[in-house]
Amino acid sequence: DAKTTQPNSMESNEEEPVHLPCNHSTISGTDYIHWYRQLPSQGPEYVIHGLTSNVNNRMASLAIAEDRKSSTLILHRATLRDAAVYYCILRVLSHSTLTFGKGTMLLVSP
Amino acid sequence: GEEVAQTPKHLVRGEGQKAKLYCAPIKGHSYVFWYQQVLKNEFKFLISFQNENVFDETGMPKERFSAKCLPNSPCSLEIQATKLEDSAVYFCASSQFAQVNSGNTIYFGEGSWLTVV
Repeated sequence: DAKTTQPNSMESNEEEPVHLPCNHSTISGTDYIHWYRQLPSQGPEYVIHGLTSNVNNRMASLAIAEDRKSSTLILHRATLRDAAVYYCILRVLSHSTLTFGKGTMLLVSP
Repeated sequence: GEEVAQTPKHLVRGEGQKAKLYCAPIKGHSYVFWYQQVLKNEFKFLISFQNENVFDETGMPKERFSAKCLPNSPCSLEIQATKLEDSAVYFCASSQFAQVNSGNTIYFGEGSWLTVV
C-alpha cells in the first residue's frame, strides 16, 4: 500500500487557520485521500476525503496538489476542541480497510 | 443505533485469562471492522465482516484471537489466554459499504481498553 508522511506534531493558536500537510508520493490513480482525527480517549472520526479536486465540508477543507503527491488539510479557525491526532490515509479502491500511519498531533493554544 | 457501541469500556484480565469484547454497529451498516491500537498512535487492522461473514482477516493473529458477527447479536472479539502484549485499545468500526466511493466512510466506536496484568 502507498504510504503517507506527516509531521509528528504541529502547534496553532485558537481562532487561527491550520494547514496540516501530508506527502504521498507513491499514490496511485485510484487511491482516495482520507483524513481522520482522533480526539483524546475517543475513536477515530472521519474528517474529509477527496480524489483529485479540492473538497470542502463543515469541518475542514482538503487541498490536493495537481500531481496528487501531496495534500493539505485546512482547519479555517482552530478551536481547542480541534486538538487531536490527525491521520492522512490513502484508501485503496479495492480494499475496504484503513491503514493508519502515525499521524500529526495538533496542539491548540488559547 | 446511531453510533457504534462498544462494551465494556475497560477490561482488566490476568495473563492467561480470556477476554471478550462486544460491538454493536450502526443500524443498517453491513460491514464491521476491528482494529487494535497499541501505545498511542499505532493502529493495526485485525478483521472485518460483511454481515455475519468474514470479509478480510489478513490482520488477525493466527492464535488466540477469534471474532464473530452473528445475526441479531452484537459482534464479538475474543482473546483466549491473554498475554501482556495484548494490552491495547480495541476499536470496532462499521460502514454501509465496503467499497471506497464518495459516500462511504467508516464510523468508529469509542473503544474497549484491555489491560492484561
